[in-house]
Amino acid sequence: DTAVSQTPKYLVTQMGNDKSIKCEQNLGHDTMYWYKQDSKKFLKIMFSYNNKELIINETVPNRFSPKSPDKAHLNLHINSLELGDSAVYFCASSQAGPRVDIQYFGAGTRLSVL
Amino acid sequence: AQKITQTQPGMFVQEKEAVTLDCTYDTSDPSYGLFWYKQPSSGEMIFLIYQGSYDQQNATEGRYSLNFQKARKSANLVISASQLGDSAMYFCAMREGSGGGADGLTFGKGTHLIIQP
Repeated sequence: DTAVSQTPKYLVTQMGNDKSIKCEQNLGHDTMYWYKQDSKKFLKIMFSYNNKELIINETVPNRFSPKSPDKAHLNLHINSLELGDSAVYFCASSQAGPRVDIQYFGAGTRLSVL
Repeated sequence: AQKITQTQPGMFVQEKEAVTLDCTYDTSDPSYGLFWYKQPSSGEMIFLIYQGSYDQQNATEGRYSLNFQKARKSANLVISASQLGDSAMYFCAMREGSGGGADGLTFGKGTHLIIQP
C-alpha cells in the first residue's frame, strides 16, 4: 500500500480551467503539506495543515486553495490555471514532534497548462 | 541569502566509489533538523536520512551517512560503495524549529549524481 498517494499523476489542461489534485496518506500522520517543484527542480513549500487546520500559507496566489476534509486527506484546488502553474506538485505528510517529523512525499502530480 | 546551499550541480562518480554531496545551511534558530532526499528519474521523493541539531553523533542509514559539522553549518551526505541505482537528484533540506509544528522544509537546488559503470 502506498503511504502517500496523489491523483492524478499527470494532468494536462488548458489555461483558464479549474482543476484539483487529491492527496491521501495512510500513515496516521497529523500534518500534511503541498510543495511545488518548478522546471529547474526547485522545491518550495506552499501550504501545511495540522489536524485539518491551515498552518503555513506561503506567498501563493489565492487561485490555489487547499482543502482538508480530514487528517488523512489534503486536496489542492487551482482556479483559472495559468501557464506559470505548470510544475510538479508534491503532497507530503509527517507526524508533528521533535525527531519524528520526517516528511514522506507522494509520487507527485505533473501539471501541464497549455 | 540562501538557507540551503548545494554547490555541486552535477557529479560523475565511478561505481563502487564513495561519494560526498555537499550541503551548507544558514539559520539562527538553535533547534533545526536537516534532511536528505533522493529523487530518481521516475520523479518520486525518497527520504534518506535525518540529523537533528542537538544530535551528538552523525546519522547513519545503511550506505548513507551524514557528516554533520555544526560549527561550519555543513551537513554533507556520504554514500559508501556507490551503485548504478544511486544515480538521481539529491536534495538537502532544513526544518527550522524543534519540529513540533507543521514546519515546511527549505530545500537546496539539488545535486545531480550520475554513477558510471
